[in-house]
Amino acid sequence: EPEVTQTPSHQVTQMGQEVILRCVPISNHLYFYWYRQILGQKVEFLVSFYNNEISEKSEIFDDQFSVERPDGSNFTLKIRSTKLEDSAMYFCARDNNNYGYTFGSGTRLTVV
Amino acid sequence: RKEVEQDPGPFNVPEGATVAFNCTYSNSASQSFFWYRQDCRKEPKLLMSVYSSGNEDGRFTAQLNRASQYISLLIRDSKLSDSATYLCVVNRRNSGNTPLVFGKGTRLSVIA
Repeated sequence: EPEVTQTPSHQVTQMGQEVILRCVPISNHLYFYWYRQILGQKVEFLVSFYNNEISEKSEIFDDQFSVERPDGSNFTLKIRSTKLEDSAMYFCARDNNNYGYTFGSGTRLTVV
Repeated sequence: RKEVEQDPGPFNVPEGATVAFNCTYSNSASQSFFWYRQDCRKEPKLLMSVYSSGNEDGRFTAQLNRASQYISLLIRDSKLSDSATYLCVVNRRNSGNTPLVFGKGTRLSVIA
């Protein structure tokens, strides 16, 4: 089964700028997730996405964040106005139905 | 109490040693349990699921104690390639496709 792929692998952006992180391609799974990991910290849940809608979100996922599936395959995470503390690895994951998740290789976001 | 708690380590062991990691979780409703492995600046990768009866996969043995809300991972005959951070992961509650919650991880260094 295809692995989960993410682009870009690394993005540097200025504080206050918008960034869009992409998760492609998507196979025929219904549940997808975005997680982030600040350097040296644990992997944290951001949002789950089921059948083209947000299923659940954490307190981290505030109004600055949004998710979309614009064309039925790509799955995007947008951060509207980045802050320094948004610097982290962002992982997309698909649910393997009680067999855990398969994660993408991640996007390293650096906000300067 | 943290949702998932692990000894951060590091555990520094010689090749061939047996090493054990422990993990406790706070939510008694959790039903799915996993050990993931994460290499530096890489995505988490599923090592093994953890079942009530305990399960083994080659040199790796996982145990679950629901009464104590305790999970363990035993690695026998450690290899240099086992050096990584081992993440204890549980689901948040007993319903389908709920987000997984990650421990901060235990770092293992296997030394020649």
